[in-house]
Amino acid sequence: DAMVIQNPRYQVTQFGKPVTLSCSQTLNHNVMYWYQQKSSQAPKLLFHYYDKDFNNEADTPDNFQSRRPNTSFCFLDIRSPGLGDAAMYLCATSRIASNEQFFGPGTRLTVL
Amino acid sequence: DQQVKQNSPSLSVQEGRISILNCDYTNSMFDYFLWYKKYPAEGPTFLISISSIKDKNEDGRFTVFLNKSAKHLSLHIVPSQPGDSAVYFCAASPFFGNEKLTFGTGTRLTIIP
Repeated sequence: DAMVIQNPRYQVTQFGKPVTLSCSQTLNHNVMYWYQQKSSQAPKLLFHYYDKDFNNEADTPDNFQSRRPNTSFCFLDIRSPGLGDAAMYLCATSRIASNEQFFGPGTRLTVL
Repeated sequence: DQQVKQNSPSLSVQEGRISILNCDYTNSMFDYFLWYKKYPAEGPTFLISISSIKDKNEDGRFTVFLNKSAKHLSLHIVPSQPGDSAVYFCAASPFFGNEKLTFGTGTRLTIIP
């Protein structure tokens, strides 16, 4: 089955220790997204890629970076996690010019 | 500034009855609306959508209604089934084909057998 896979499902890191979350897809979609969702809040778009063209949201902190080495993979790097970065991180994909996004199961990040 | 609002965090409905989930938006530029459904430990999955040129879209047991003048949309599920128990997110975009979505906070629907 074509899908969006996120690893790991749960990640624990220490305050200030860099962490990388990964996402892969078998849908061959051109667009990939990273969302942050805190408890009882709406998923918030951090950035997205059209192929390799990176698009950052204006209010995404500099602490968050992303890499997309190829169509299938996308990474979220948090350079110096703070306690406020503890959240569920959702990866999604879509075809270009499609509103329908396909989500992975998410990675729950805990910062100690 | 929450541009898409789901004011009911939770809703319980008897099996077989109608479930009505509501969503309000403030940005008049929004032109295309979607509902996503999320089960625990899974990502959201697309359920149904509607363009602003319509006021209703139906897909089996699911119907979405759009009142553009009130900036309000609702999702009707009839009849409700236990498998419908999930969190439902409303999302909006400026136009069909614009991939960026703004989500609401979600409503947890529980269907009581």
